[in-house]
Amino acid sequence: GQQLNQSPQSMFIQEGEDVSMNCTSSSIFNTWLWYKQDPGEGPVLLIALYKAGELTSNGRLTAQFGITRKDSFLNISASIPSDVGIYFCAGQLPSSNTGKLIFGQGTTLQVKP
Amino acid sequence: DGGITQSPKYLFRKEGQNVTLSCEQNLNHDAMYWYRQDPGQGLRLIYYSQIVNDFQKGDIAEGYSVSREKKESFPLTVTSAQKNPTAFYLCASTRVGLGGIQYFGAGTRLSVL
Repeated sequence: GQQLNQSPQSMFIQEGEDVSMNCTSSSIFNTWLWYKQDPGEGPVLLIALYKAGELTSNGRLTAQFGITRKDSFLNISASIPSDVGIYFCAGQLPSSNTGKLIFGQGTTLQVKP
Repeated sequence: DGGITQSPKYLFRKEGQNVTLSCEQNLNHDAMYWYRQDPGQGLRLIYYSQIVNDFQKGDIAEGYSVSREKKESFPLTVTSAQKNPTAFYLCASTRVGLGGIQYFGAGTRLSVL
């Protein structure tokens, strides 16, 4: 099955630093979603994007729907220890009528206090 | 509280044994999904169901089976034909009008004895 290319695969940063991760695809998407997964739990939605060029913030998180509709970015500003976890991007193809999402491989974030 | 409940949290399978993972939702969602999560591989779709008494194979359906007899319930059976069942299993649900957003349960970790 198709997967999104998500990078970086992992990050180890100092508390207070900013973080940036992205997802790219060879296909056009009409929806981009960003989820966070805490260890041993299910993913929780952070931000949803529906329009090319859209820039949306949720607290210290900012995500963008790429102009080409083939990529998306997530930035976290001033990281704190509770930001630790796995971040997933997910996209939905315009042709999808099943609600299926295509997921990236995830970015594992570790924050050093 | 509305949500998705997966049980058990931890499950152990013996050689040649079938095991069933439970997924129940009280969100009145029509569509439900089962994913398998392995380290570094993101979420891979096993089966999904858009309505009661109907379901479709995802990308890695071999060795798994499902049923959808009730809207609220979508159990997954890991059969003895699945030779590498050790993974974290996630159930999700959604409905039309949620912008493609899937809501996840807390997951079941399956290990082989």
